Amino acid sequence: QKEVEQNSGPLSVPEGAIASLNCTYSDRGSQSFFWYRQYSGKSPELIMFIYSNGDKEDGRFTAQLNKASQYVSLLIRDSQPSDSATYLCAVINTGGFKTIFGAGTRLFVKA
Amino acid sequence: DVKVTQSSRYLVKRTGEKVFLECVQDMDHENMFWYRQDPGLGLRLIYFSYDVKMKEKGDIPEGYSVSREKKERFSLILESASTNQTSMYLCASSRDRAYEQYFGPGTRLTVT
Repeated sequence: QKEVEQNSGPLSVPEGAIASLNCTYSDRGSQSFFWYRQYSGKSPELIMFIYSNGDKEDGRFTAQLNKASQYVSLLIRDSQPSDSATYLCAVINTGGFKTIFGAGTRLFVKA
Repeated sequence: DVKVTQSSRYLVKRTGEKVFLECVQDMDHENMFWYRQDPGLGLRLIYFSYDVKMKEKGDIPEGYSVSREKKERFSLILESASTNQTSMYLCASSRDRAYEQYFGPGTRLTVT
């Protein structure tokens, strides 16, 4: 089992729809969770972080964390073609010494 | 804005050459990282450094070494480049290991 798992996609949604990206992790003691966006040919950039159970909203983005289920998700409302990218889930392991990245989910938003 | 720069965007080297990839950050971050990114494999940590002259192996350190003589600069060295080291190399920095990382633009290395 991979430490951080994401569906590789591609996930295809129409413009204006909600895109839902999911991530599961194996280290039950993980404390910090991040979502990075990576456009093709570019480097990852942070878009959201979440530390506590529940939802955290920032503009069109909502991060959701459920530590009991070891599950973190990213919702993108009113998806735009410019949201088309690979989204990487990252988890800080127990003790806070290591960031573990998932392999990423490719999102394609159709105009 | 945090800025992380890498010495080259594209690099072509021959098998057996010694290769230096340089990374500089301007935010006085303690931690710096080197990753490689390959299709289907995601980001894999090669080495990281949590202080000047301090380094720790990541998940795939074989064939690589690093140097951190100054806080802002972290170098990745391929002692004898091989074709299986053809990849995208990404440098990152962070204020603390448990915080978000800021990435450089990447170096696409091809070893022929």
